[in-house]
Amino acid sequence: EDQVTQSPEALRLQEGESSSLNCSYTVSGLRGLFWYRQDPGKGPEFLFTLYSAGEEKEKERLKATLTKKESFLHITAPKPEDSATYLCAVQATGGFKTIFGAGTRLFVKA
Amino acid sequence: EAQVTQNPRYLITVTGKKLTVTCSQNMNHEYMSWYRQDPGLGLRQIYYSMNVEVTDKGDVPEGYKVSRKEKRNFPLILESPSPNQTSLYFCASSQAGFVEKLFFGSGTQLSVL
Repeated sequence: EDQVTQSPEALRLQEGESSSLNCSYTVSGLRGLFWYRQDPGKGPEFLFTLYSAGEEKEKERLKATLTKKESFLHITAPKPEDSATYLCAVQATGGFKTIFGAGTRLFVKA
Repeated sequence: EAQVTQNPRYLITVTGKKLTVTCSQNMNHEYMSWYRQDPGLGLRQIYYSMNVEVTDKGDVPEGYKVSRKEKRNFPLILESPSPNQTSLYFCASSQAGFVEKLFFGSGTQLSVL
């Protein structure tokens, strides 16, 4: 069964304290892995798509990487405005479902 | 402005009273989908549609119906709501179903008493 597990459930950082969020996935074949950001009371917003192991993508203080079993979202020198829930999702070959993890709630304190 | 619009934003109803949550997108997207979000469970797909008149079940379709008569609209119908359908619902769309980023609506918070 296709599955996505994110850790930790919640992460508290001081402003400027870099860290990483983990997304472990189990799929029969990976078509793509997505990262989304969700602010309270809003729908998720797209951040990145990764297609194959070894791929990396960056956007401002965020960098996403992908291996054959997991993806990491690295946050460098975070700011309070980076506080949000970060969602990982996968789409498997042979179907059109996008399967989401439960998310990591990130809190960045000034 | 490109967007996915859901209505209503909040809805309180009683068990068994039929309701419809509307979803409309203005991006000419072929793919549309409904998700529910529950604490600790993340987003779970209810139904999706690859194009007009083409719909298929997601992971949690029981108790829900959808229709796709027009490309821009994808309403979610609860014919006989029950308390376990209390949840936050999101509609999403993308250009096509294949590895395309999803655009989400703002969500509908449904409470079934």
